Amino acid sequence: GNSVTQMEGPVTLSEEAFLTINCTYTATGYPSLFWYVQYPGEGLQLLLKATKADDKGSNKGFEATYRKETTSFHLEKGSVQVSDSAVYFCALSDLTYAGNMLTFGGGTRLMVKP
Amino acid sequence: GAGVSQTPSNKVTEKGKYVELRCDPISGHTALYWYRQSLGQGPEFLIYFQGTGAADDSGLPNDRFFAVRPEGSVSTLKIQRTERGDSAVYLCASSLSGEASYEQYFGPGTRLTVT
Repeated sequence: GNSVTQMEGPVTLSEEAFLTINCTYTATGYPSLFWYVQYPGEGLQLLLKATKADDKGSNKGFEATYRKETTSFHLEKGSVQVSDSAVYFCALSDLTYAGNMLTFGGGTRLMVKP
Repeated sequence: GAGVSQTPSNKVTEKGKYVELRCDPISGHTALYWYRQSLGQGPEFLIYFQGTGAADDSGLPNDRFFAVRPEGSVSTLKIQRTERGDSAVYLCASSLSGEASYEQYFGPGTRLTVT
């Protein structure tokens, strides 16, 4: 079956530090890959996505590249801000199956200190 | 425009009771999904509707869980004989279509606590 593994948190960084959150996946078909973010007190929001190998998704300074050879989709940001403090979820949807249900990782809490 | 809404935001019930959780998707969205998020974990898929029909209910944990979407809009997740292990945040999401190119928009969730 499909699964997503991401690094456990919390990750604590100082403002302007470089961020990497690792994500690897297992899928039986040809997945699309996503990063979702959950800010305190808010619902899940799509941050970025990539639909095929070597695609790079980007949004709000965050980037992630779909690496089929290493089955990875690591999230990076060059300079984090306090407002980036949130829980980040890596997810996939497998186009082998009807519908677009998502398989999520366990989430990584990011705390950015001023 | 209005996003996905879920009611109630919090529900506390006693073990063995029946509960209903409601989801109002974004208008015009034909695809609707239910997920369950236990504390400290990522959401887990429960059921997917395309229109009025449940296209995939493979994530429902057992036959105490049931969901309907009779008019292809509002959906209700029903849990019979609740157990303490059912305590979680239940998330609803909708998208224009069930195809992979369409983004899923999530509601704020219903936090269910079974005492």
